[in-house]
Amino acid sequence: IQLTQSPSSLSASVGERVTITCRASQDAKSAVGWYQQRPGTTPKLLIYDVSTLESGVPSRFSGSGSGTDYTLTITSLQPEDSAIYYCHQFNNYPLTFGGGSKVEI
Amino acid sequence: EVQLVESGGGLVQPGESLRLSCIASGFNISTHYMTWVRQAPGRGLEWVANINQDATETYSLDSVKGRFTVSRDNAKNSVYLQMSALRAADTAVYYCARGVRWFDPWGQGTLVTVSS
Repeated sequence: IQLTQSPSSLSASVGERVTITCRASQDAKSAVGWYQQRPGTTPKLLIYDVSTLESGVPSRFSGSGSGTDYTLTITSLQPEDSAIYYCHQFNNYPLTFGGGSKVEI
Repeated sequence: EVQLVESGGGLVQPGESLRLSCIASGFNISTHYMTWVRQAPGRGLEWVANINQDATETYSLDSVKGRFTVSRDNAKNSVYLQMSALRAADTAVYYCARGVRWFDPWGQGTLVTVSS
């Protein structure tokens, strides 16, 4: 399953709402997660099973979607949210990641 | 603290081999699938391979099948990635991660550079 993220990059202000979309080449059966990778750091799990927040992840992050279309939303952007965000499907092998969406503040 | 630490990366020539290790602390890997993910310089994430709890099942990316082998030693709380016939396209930071569907935590990664 190929995952296409959009936009590939965006710039937004603190407090703004940001939405990143992830389109799968076929039904991902809601087996989708999202990762955040801040500059120079390792990826961090944010969301799994479309909308379940990993423990410790701020509630301003949310996920939604089904079938081939999935969305990551940050409701009130914070300076520490500057990062690259990757969607990921684990419905079938090979497991795949989207190309990433860079969020700049 | 739950932690994964990779080692074994380095500079090798095309066609050579390398073995990566990942040692876990703060949890027992024997109850978890373990996964390798790589990231080429300046590029995105690419799943490489995983292994189930008792090493009876492994899955890997088509481009590494026959060249990379994932294994584990639960007694040493460690996972390994044996890489052979390395190519320039294999140049990446290799991360070890816990899990089969989603991955958490990740190690800090070890850089593999394949170049003549």
